[in-house]
Amino acid sequence: DIQMTQSPSSLSASVGDRLTITCRASQNINYYLNWYQQKPGKVPNLLIHSTSSVQSGVPSRFSGSGSGTDFTLTISSLQPEDFATYYCQQTYSTPYTFGQGTKLEIK
Amino acid sequence: EVQLVESGGGLVQPGGSLRLSCVGSAFTFSHFWMYWVRQGPGKGLVWVSGINSDGSTTGYADSVKGRFTISRDNAKNTLYLQMNSLRAEDTAVYYCARVVYSVVNSQWQRADYWGQGTPVTVSS
Repeated sequence: DIQMTQSPSSLSASVGDRLTITCRASQNINYYLNWYQQKPGKVPNLLIHSTSSVQSGVPSRFSGSGSGTDFTLTISSLQPEDFATYYCQQTYSTPYTFGQGTKLEIK
Repeated sequence: EVQLVESGGGLVQPGGSLRLSCVGSAFTFSHFWMYWVRQGPGKGLVWVSGINSDGSTTGYADSVKGRFTISRDNAKNTLYLQMNSLRAEDTAVYYCARVVYSVVNSQWQRADYWGQGTPVTVSS
């Protein structure tokens, strides 16, 4: 199985900060990488698919990049509604594993 | 509006069985892959199982392989998860999700709509 490791597991940041979350795959997954956001008590929400394609309706401050084994999710200017937990997911091969999550908290 | 509604969760003893259902509406159910994803209390997301649009291809997490079976009835717009030999570590909220995929290469897939989840508790 492909292991997905996110870093950091948690972080504190301020409104307006630029933020990057990293996701590393245990083997090459090409560009088959999605990012989801989950707010407390809510269902996950698709942010980015295919490494860098922003899902319809998602603000342009969210972007994704990477290839192979190393991927990043960047939020260009944090907004209050962005404080949530973020997950990466690979769809290169089953099981389509998620990362352990990165919890973003307000500083 | 696309809707996914799960049901069938509840309290079950270790070793017992449950069948979860997920009914989709406002989209052509038979055109989409579907997932089951679970989330234990205070834990992260875990991909449990997936099934392609006609039910001919399935996949499972190692932790449930041989115990859980995913299936679908496209005539009823319904996804199922048969869970047998349940363990305490299967306790979680189980979400179904609609999966958009590329017909050229099904590795390009993502879960764009999620149900609200149904809780499963395995305890004596």
